[in-house]
Amino acid sequence: DTAVSQTPKYLVTQMGNDKSIKCEQNLGHDTMYWYKQDSKKFLKIMFSYNNKELIINETVPNRFSPKSPDKAHLNLHINSLELGDSAVYFCASSPSLGRAEQFFGPGTRLTVL
Amino acid sequence: GENVEQHPSTLSVQEGDSAVIKCTYSDSASNYFPWYKQELGKRPQLIIDIRSNVGEKKDQRIAVTLNKTAKHFSLHITETQPEDSAVYFCAANTGNTPLVFGKGTRLSVIA
Repeated sequence: DTAVSQTPKYLVTQMGNDKSIKCEQNLGHDTMYWYKQDSKKFLKIMFSYNNKELIINETVPNRFSPKSPDKAHLNLHINSLELGDSAVYFCASSPSLGRAEQFFGPGTRLTVL
Repeated sequence: GENVEQHPSTLSVQEGDSAVIKCTYSDSASNYFPWYKQELGKRPQLIIDIRSNVGEKKDQRIAVTLNKTAKHFSLHITETQPEDSAVYFCAANTGNTPLVFGKGTRLSVIA
């Protein structure tokens, strides 16, 4: 059983397109996250979603928008893709915000051409 | 907000030697300090964590120490093996905020 899953695993697209990445967790966790990992392997948090409260990292461009239809899903929609958006995007979940292990999804490698 | 500094960025050790990775944090209210291991092409996975009410925690060849006064914590890996080669991330938070990660340490264990 996959605890945190993401689709697609790979995404190749042209600049200016709009794309979405889906994430689902079957752990019953209250909190979900999106991270961006660039080529230098830096893990940068983009969003946290805790019990319907969205916490946004203010450095994330508003072209990125998370959508959570329910507690088990947190999708990431990206408008007007740019070259600099190329990275690996990880979804993660934890029982609560903060002091608990985060379980990461397998990642989505986004390449913008 | 919290800021986590991690050193070194790269580390090479001979198989069987020990490896130490150090992190400092800025927010004295931080009370949870996990370490994640990310193998090439894989997802980050928790390997050990420590909370502010203890100074050291061990799990087989891995140990973490915490110095709250100095606001730093360290990961110690003894008797390193080739499968320990990976990127290691430290992180910190206050308990009701998202984790803040260090920039990672690429550990290479040379056989």
